[in-house]
Amino acid sequence: GQNIDQPTEMTATEGAIVQINCTYQTSGFNGLFWYQQHAGEAPTFLSYNVLDGLEEKGRFSSFLSRSKGYSYLLLKELQMKDSASYLCAVDPSGTYKYIFGTGTRLKVLA
Amino acid sequence: DTGVSQDPRHKITKRGQNVTFRCDPISEHNRLYWYRQTLGQGPEFLTYFQNEAQLEKSRLLSDRFSAERPKGSFSTLEIQRTEQGDSAMYLCASSLGETGTQFFYPGELFFGEGSRLTVL
Repeated sequence: GQNIDQPTEMTATEGAIVQINCTYQTSGFNGLFWYQQHAGEAPTFLSYNVLDGLEEKGRFSSFLSRSKGYSYLLLKELQMKDSASYLCAVDPSGTYKYIFGTGTRLKVLA
Repeated sequence: DTGVSQDPRHKITKRGQNVTFRCDPISEHNRLYWYRQTLGQGPEFLTYFQNEAQLEKSRLLSDRFSAERPKGSFSTLEIQRTEQGDSAMYLCASSLGETGTQFFYPGELFFGEGSRLTVL
């Protein structure tokens, strides 16, 4: 079967750093995406990893280890507007038909 | 606005009625996807199109669900004889597919705002 696990909720303080983990067990692997979704809104793209290592994009970084079936999203210098759900998604088959995790709800406190 | 648009944004219907949702993708995108999302869950894949061809359909999509993409442009998702379990947010997304560009990954999905269905 296909399975993606993420923590359900996390809380962090404005200005801090937070790491959101994602582990996956899928029939294949052709890339992993992270999306941000604010309540009541559509998911928006944050990052993409297909090779092992770290991808950095401003305050956001994403790491992938294919051998461990593991990724994390790192958010630095947290801002209140970062309060949202963060969705980890894997493409098992190379057809861009993604399997999404349930999402991690991040609350940023002042 | 050149993003993905969906209509209607909200639909309340009685059990047993038929509903139809429309999605207009970004014009140069050849792939179009339908996902369903319930509260506290991630999006679940329903179906996708490459141009006008429906390439895959999830087993979540019962016979009451049908999707079309005539002429490879907009798409419709119809639910017949709605049930309370159909209540969810129906998300449409589009992507460039294999081509991609120097700015966007080929598989990067651009989502619409969604159509929220409530079945009473």
